[in-house]
Amino acid sequence: AQSVTQLDSHVSVSEGTPVLLRCNYSSSYSPSLFWYVQHPNKGLQLLLKYTSAATLVKGINGFEAEFKKSETSFHLTKPSAHMSDAAEYFCVLSGTYKYIFGTGTRLKVLA
Amino acid sequence: DTGVSQDPRHKITKRGQNVTFRCDPISEHNRLYWYRQTLGQGPEFLTYFQNEAQLEKSRLLSDRFSAERPKGSFSTLEIQRTEQGDSAMYLCASSLLGASGKETQYFGPGTRLLVL
Repeated sequence: AQSVTQLDSHVSVSEGTPVLLRCNYSSSYSPSLFWYVQHPNKGLQLLLKYTSAATLVKGINGFEAEFKKSETSFHLTKPSAHMSDAAEYFCVLSGTYKYIFGTGTRLKVLA
Repeated sequence: DTGVSQDPRHKITKRGQNVTFRCDPISEHNRLYWYRQTLGQGPEFLTYFQNEAQLEKSRLLSDRFSAERPKGSFSTLEIQRTEQGDSAMYLCASSLLGASGKETQYFGPGTRLLVL
């Protein structure tokens, strides 16, 4: 069965410090993985995607993620948090025809 | 910007009424998806179309729900005899399925439904 687990429901960081949002996946075949961000009352915006090319994927707004097959992980990082990064982040696994979403991680950025 | 658009953005209705939502995908995209997102949860798949054909429906989609995509362009999602449990954000996404079999879904802003 395919599944996505986001290990933290809430993460708080101070502005200017690194961000780490953790995601593990389970898939019986080579997965496509995505990170989306959702600001309050808004739709989902694609941050980055992994589709079996380079394992280190760079996205928008300084975010990047590394695909680690041995650890079945796809963690999202950013070197320095900005106040505007405060939002809900979803790790997503692409199934045979649909997306499988994690439960989300709410990122809070403290001034 | 010619991204995915949804209308209306907000809908308040009384229990038992029918509601219809519209989604306009990115113009060259051949796949269109509907998801439902309740408070504090990730989106859950409802149904999807490839061109005008509805290829899969989730068990979440009871017989009160119907979706169409005439001519493979815009799509509508209708909920009949709404219940308070239908209150949620309804998200539409579209994608272009390539020869590789891979796709990236682009989401609209959603329609927030409140059933009183």
